[in-house]
Amino acid sequence: GAVVSQHPSRVICKSGTSVKIECRSLDFQATTMFWYRQFPKQSLMLMATSNEGSKATYEQGVEKDKFLINHASLTLSTLTVTSAHPEDSSFYICSARGGQGRSEAFFGQGTRLTVV
Amino acid sequence: AQTVTQSQPEMSVQEAETVTLSCTYDTSESDYYLFWYKQPPSRQMILVIRQEAYKQQNATENRFSVNFQKAAKSFSLKISDSQLGDAAMYFCAYRSLGNQFYFGTGTSLTVIP
Repeated sequence: GAVVSQHPSRVICKSGTSVKIECRSLDFQATTMFWYRQFPKQSLMLMATSNEGSKATYEQGVEKDKFLINHASLTLSTLTVTSAHPEDSSFYICSARGGQGRSEAFFGQGTRLTVV
Repeated sequence: AQTVTQSQPEMSVQEAETVTLSCTYDTSESDYYLFWYKQPPSRQMILVIRQEAYKQQNATENRFSVNFQKAAKSFSLKISDSQLGDAAMYFCAYRSLGNQFYFGTGTSLTVIP
């Protein structure tokens, strides 16, 4: 299957600072990338969908000014958590879907964000 | 909006036995895709199997097979000859033609040696 690399896998930041998470599709062009948040023992909550070169579409209740998403190329999307607070601590997962009739999405390894 | 329901929060199976995980979904679309993803303790989501709604034949991948009942909007996963490495959280997912993915709440599978 295709490979999606997410970096960093773990990050600890101080309250009030910003942190950037990268999601790269290594061997395919990702026309669409998704960002999810997952709480312990819960399902994936879709935060936003981004298509290369256009603005991300955020799900209801997700603050677009707090969670900045950039999908500048067909292989890279970034999620920046701005002015992080302890309640932003969570597991963030990206996934990517390519074109050419690929129906499934491939997932990154996830990022454990802890805000102290 | 589409909804995906997994009614079994936890399941267990004896090693080498067979287990079936249930999934139902709600949609008004006629064309869509269904998936089962596995999330082991590493939390890396892994695609287990996929099914195109327009295909009547049930998908099979080695020990994993599905029972896709389009009219009933049911998509269960059967794991045969269960192995210890199958222990994980399993998520059923629906993908609309509009590109949105919707996930169920997950079923935690325990494999008993």
